[in-house]
Amino acid sequence: QVQLQESGPGLVKPSQTLSLTCTVSGDSISRGSYYGNWIRQPAGKGLEWIGRIYSRGSTDYSPSLKSRVTMSVDTSQNQFSLKLTSVTAADTAVYYCATQQWPTRYFDLWGRGTLVTVSS
Amino acid sequence: EIVMTQSPATLSVSPGERATLSCRASESISGNLAWYHQKSGQAPRLLMYGASTRATGIPARFSGSGSGTDFTLTISSLQSEDFGVYYCQQYEDWPPFTFGPGTKVEIK
Repeated sequence: QVQLQESGPGLVKPSQTLSLTCTVSGDSISRGSYYGNWIRQPAGKGLEWIGRIYSRGSTDYSPSLKSRVTMSVDTSQNQFSLKLTSVTAADTAVYYCATQQWPTRYFDLWGRGTLVTVSS
Repeated sequence: EIVMTQSPATLSVSPGERATLSCRASESISGNLAWYHQKSGQAPRLLMYGASTRATGIPARFSGSGSGTDFTLTISSLQSEDFGVYYCQQYEDWPPFTFGPGTKVEIK
């Protein structure tokens, strides 16, 4: 059974960089055709797609966040990663990783999410 | 960017009753629509894709319909585990993939 687990600091200072990792267990991302996505949800609000990275390394980012987002993949560690620079309080949210199985474009599996708070 | 809207914002339903949720896209998305269910404090879970295909393990009381810009999710007989927030998501055009604001299904 494939599972996703997000990890990273729960508190980030304003203007700094938010860094999160999603570890995939139960399958090898280098063997499958995975897209690793990051999606966030501020408290009490809806879902916002941040971007995705293919297991071979190509990326798509949300235009609204593109200037601040970098995603990477480490197939040796079976991980997808997110970096979001110059954070503000508006970036405070639960961050989820979620997969798409190429060529589908819906999110078939989600991690439990991790809360990131931006505060000094 | 394709904007998704959902109605109603909140739906009060008694257990055993039928629930009908609506989702609308700002332009045609063919059948490229998914539905998710999120319980309080949990991650969303895929319910439906292709507007009308149930995901693995989803019971038959859930059905989806629609194409183009208007879509419906119907729960034929609401069970206690069905309460929570339902989101629709379009995957016709990206980036970005976009979600609706959600419909909260609560106990009447």
